[in-house]
Amino acid sequence: GENVEQHPSTLSVQEGDSAVIKCTYSDSASNYFPWYKQELGKRPQLIIDIRSNVGEKKDQRIAVTLNKTAKHFSLHITETQPEDSAVYFCAATSGTYKYIFGTGTRLKVLA
Amino acid sequence: DAGVIQSPRHEVTEMGQEVTLRCKPISGHDYLFWYRQTMMRGLELLIYFNNNVPIDDSGMPEDRFSAKMPNASFSTLKIQPSEPRDSAVYFCASRGGPSGLTEAFFGQGTRLTVV
Repeated sequence: GENVEQHPSTLSVQEGDSAVIKCTYSDSASNYFPWYKQELGKRPQLIIDIRSNVGEKKDQRIAVTLNKTAKHFSLHITETQPEDSAVYFCAATSGTYKYIFGTGTRLKVLA
Repeated sequence: DAGVIQSPRHEVTEMGQEVTLRCKPISGHDYLFWYRQTMMRGLELLIYFNNNVPIDDSGMPEDRFSAKMPNASFSTLKIQPSEPRDSAVYFCASRGGPSGLTEAFFGQGTRLTVV
């Protein structure tokens, strides 16, 4: 069945450094890849998404890249700040419109 | 729109009792998802509906779990009988749009504790 793997499970970076989180998916029909941020005790919220006809998308300090051939996509956060500390989830969805999430990455930005 | 609304926010129940979680999706959204979140398993998709019809319930862990969507503005997830291992945060999410390739909006979640 469909599967999304996410690495690393935890990530600590110094404030101002960059953070990279990687995901791979199994369903070659997947064509929409959102990233969600979940702060402690709160709901997951979308921070950026990418569709399969695009290789890269940026929004200020965050960017997502997609490699359809290799079936992987990555989240890049530059100039990290303490408020970036949270759990980040990647997801993939296809024509079935079923959202499958990765297992999450706990990002800690050290001041 | 108030967003996706879930109730209750917290539920503490004794093992063996029936638990019903409720969800009101965003008006106009045609997809509704139920997820369970635990530290060990992350966000697990339990079931999802399209236009009130269950499409895939392969994530429902056991027959003790059931979900319904009687109309476009209401869905329930029921656990009967509940067990301590059902303790988790349960999220409802909805999405809409002509292509389906759109953001899913999550409710605040229901934190279930079964003692």
